[in-house]
Formats: sequence, structure tokens, C-alpha cells
Amino acid sequence: QKEVEQNSGPLSVPEGAIASLNCTYSDRGSQSFFWYRQYSGKSPELIMSIYSNGDKEDGRFTAQLNKASQYVSLLIRDSQPSDSATYLCLRGGSNYKLTFGKGTLLTVNP
Amino acid sequence: GVTQSPTHLIKTRGQQVTLRCSSQSGHNTVSWYQQALGQGPQFIFQYYREEENGRGNFPPRFSGLQFPNDSSELNVNALELDDSALYLCASSLEGRGSPLHFGNGTRLTVT
Repeated sequence: QKEVEQNSGPLSVPEGAIASLNCTYSDRGSQSFFWYRQYSGKSPELIMSIYSNGDKEDGRFTAQLNKASQYVSLLIRDSQPSDSATYLCLRGGSNYKLTFGKGTLLTVNP
Repeated sequence: GVTQSPTHLIKTRGQQVTLRCSSQSGHNTVSWYQQALGQGPQFIFQYYREEENGRGNFPPRFSGLQFPNDSSELNVNALELDDSALYLCASSLEGRGSPLHFGNGTRLTVT
């Protein structure tokens, strides 16, 4: 099992819909998780950090963490074409190594 | 923020390359990642207080340095075609709760 897995995508949603992105991880010692957005040819930019079980909301974005089930998700409400990008899940592990998932390409159609 | 140079670079197989990074002020940890097209970033190594304290599955021809003035380098010897990728530098505060802050990356093409 890979350390961090993301739903393969690509994911396509209409403008105004909710986009749901998921990530599972194998290391139960993982304490922190981060969602990054990466536009084509650009570097990743931090969207959300989440450290404890439950939901964390920031504007149109909601991160959800369930440590018992070892998954973390990102919901984007009222999706906009500008949200079209690759979304990367980053696991902050119990050691020095921070591990990325492969990423999910999201396309929001006008 | 984090700055990287150069933005783009073209090298020939077998050559050596040095990529540079300036960390965000106050950050004491720098990590380097390689990102091939269509893939997530792959961890190369991390430096904390000028010493390597973690390494991913990369051969020894990938090496690095971190300097006291918040700058760092990634060196790659004996370049191979598969080394063509976007190289990302990220700085952070030491500790597993700290997110990574990325530079704009260096696009390396090996011909």
C-alpha cells in the first residue's frame, strides 16, 4: 500500500457544484495533513492545513480528517473555473519525510 | 517567500547542475522535491541546520547543501535523461506540524 493515495481522477464538475477530493494514508502515526493546489507548470500553493479529527472550513473550502479510517478529504463548494488545477494531499508524518499523493486533476466546466 | 534560480535550465546528459534556493526568512528547514510531468512531487532530501536529516529514494549523485544565510543548493552529477523534471525547493519550520512553502521551481531539461 502506498503511503498516500488520492482518488485517481481526473475529476470534472460543472461550475457551482461541489468538488470532492479524497486522500487515504497508511501511517497511523501521521499527525498533520495539508492540501495544496497546483496550476499547470506552477509550484504548489497551500490551501488548507488540518491536524485534528473533524472538519475545518475556510471560505469555500472544507477539509475533513478521520484518523480512525485514515482518510482526509477536501470539499470545494460553489466550484469556479479558476479552481481547475491539480490538488495534492501532503501527509506530515511521524518522521522527517513529508509525503505527497500523486494528485487529482480537477476541471470545473463553465 | 521562497525563491529559486534559475527558472529554466537545459543540460546535456552526463553534465552536472546546481540549483539554488533562498528560504523564507525564519525557516530553519529546507526540502527538495522532484516532480516529473503528471506526477506528485517526490521527496529528494531535507536539511535542518545545515545537515541532511532525511533522504528519499534518490542516488548519491543527488546532493545538497544548506548555508547559514537561509540559502541552499541541490547538485546533480552525471545527468540522465530521466532527471528532466521540475525541481521544487520548500522551506518550513522544523516539526511535523509545519507546512511546506514552495518556491516557483526550476524546470530542468536534460537532452
